[in-house]
Amino acid sequence: QLQLQESGPGLVKPSETLSLTCTVSGGSISGNDYYWAWIRQPPGKGLEWIGQMSHIKNAYSNPSLKSRITISVDTSKNQFSLQLSSVTAADTAIYYCARRAGSSSSRWFDPWGQGTLVTVSS
Amino acid sequence: QSVLTQPPSASGTPGQRVTISCSGSTSNIGSHTVDWYQQLPGAAPKLLIFSNNQRPSGVPDRFSGSKSGTSASLAISGLQSEDEADYYCSTRDDSLNGVVFGGGTKLIVL
Repeated sequence: QLQLQESGPGLVKPSETLSLTCTVSGGSISGNDYYWAWIRQPPGKGLEWIGQMSHIKNAYSNPSLKSRITISVDTSKNQFSLQLSSVTAADTAIYYCARRAGSSSSRWFDPWGQGTLVTVSS
Repeated sequence: QSVLTQPPSASGTPGQRVTISCSGSTSNIGSHTVDWYQQLPGAAPKLLIFSNNQRPSGVPDRFSGSKSGTSASLAISGLQSEDEADYYCSTRDDSLNGVVFGGGTKLIVL
């Protein structure tokens, strides 16, 4: 079955850029009408949608983060990535990648990666 | 402050039926389907209900979802100790042109 795995540094300095990669296995990132998404969860808090991109590069992102976000999809590696610039302590969170499945009339996140904790600290 | 409003906590005893509400507006729940996610302690969220009331394969039929107007609900019948988790509702929002989550509800099985 489809599995997603996040990878990247667990510690990022303030003002620097957070970079994470999600590797998709058990299926292709291409084809179908899916999006590939990033969601985060600050310690002890709720979920926040960051953004998503399809394999044909249609992208949507959270307006509150839009100016700092870059999401990309690499179909040759079956991976997608997140870059979040100018990070502060408020960006400390568990970052999850997920497939945005379904179709234009109804979509949902399934499956999810296990998540990776990113701490912003000097 | 989440766009979708959920009660912070809910509780029940084993065997009971509990419901968790999710309140939104015409730009989100009123216009789009709702999903529910279960997050067990220390784990990633897992899809529980999609398209308002559909269960993915493997989710027990004790879990059910419904939607009416600008509100949605998750019902859990025959409550079990392993249902103790955080539950989140989610949908699209036209004003934000994106996806929104509720603040989450911590379910405690007494």
